[in-house]
Amino acid sequence: GDSVTQMQGQVTLSEDDFLFINCTYSTTWYPTLFWYVQYPGEGPQLLLKVTTANNKGISRGFEATYDKRTTSFHLQKASVQESDSAVYYCVLGEASSGSWQLIFGSGTQLTVMP
Amino acid sequence: GPKVLQIPSHQIIDMGQMVTLNCDPVSNHLYFYWYKQILGQQMEFLVNFYNGKVMEKSKLFKDQFSVERPDGSYFTLKIQPTALEDSAVYFCASSPDRGEKEVFFGKGTRLTVV
Repeated sequence: GDSVTQMQGQVTLSEDDFLFINCTYSTTWYPTLFWYVQYPGEGPQLLLKVTTANNKGISRGFEATYDKRTTSFHLQKASVQESDSAVYYCVLGEASSGSWQLIFGSGTQLTVMP
Repeated sequence: GPKVLQIPSHQIIDMGQMVTLNCDPVSNHLYFYWYKQILGQQMEFLVNFYNGKVMEKSKLFKDQFSVERPDGSYFTLKIQPTALEDSAVYFCASSPDRGEKEVFFGKGTRLTVV
């Protein structure tokens, strides 16, 4: 079945550092890919979305590009801030037989030190 | 922005008892979901619900689980009877429809079975 892999469980950076979080996916369909962010005590919220129609998503300084050849959807940000500390989930949208669900990766805890 | 409300935020219950988790989805949304997150672990899909019916459920959605949304009121997840392994945070979510739409999550209900 469809799946999402995030190998980095934790990332610790200093303010203004460059952020790169790996994500690879597996699906037999044309993917719809998302990055969701979860702050403490909150539910996940959409950060950005990419479909096969537009292979790059940009939001709040974060960007992710969908690469069909490598089946990757890495998240990047040029300069992180302390307020970016949160858990980041790479998410694959799966449609089958009239159903729709989100498949979450295992998440990457980002900690940004002041 | 749109809000999904979950009631209660915390629930402690004796093993074997019944519990109902309540969710007030975003107004006019048609597609509803429950996800389970054990502390520090992955967000895992339980079930989705559309037009009064379960569309898809995962292996985690045991026979003791049920969902309903009677007459447009709360979307509920009922567990009867509860087991120790049901302790987790349960997130309700909703989307305007199925497909490549943003899914909005609530803050979760932390269920502790003792």
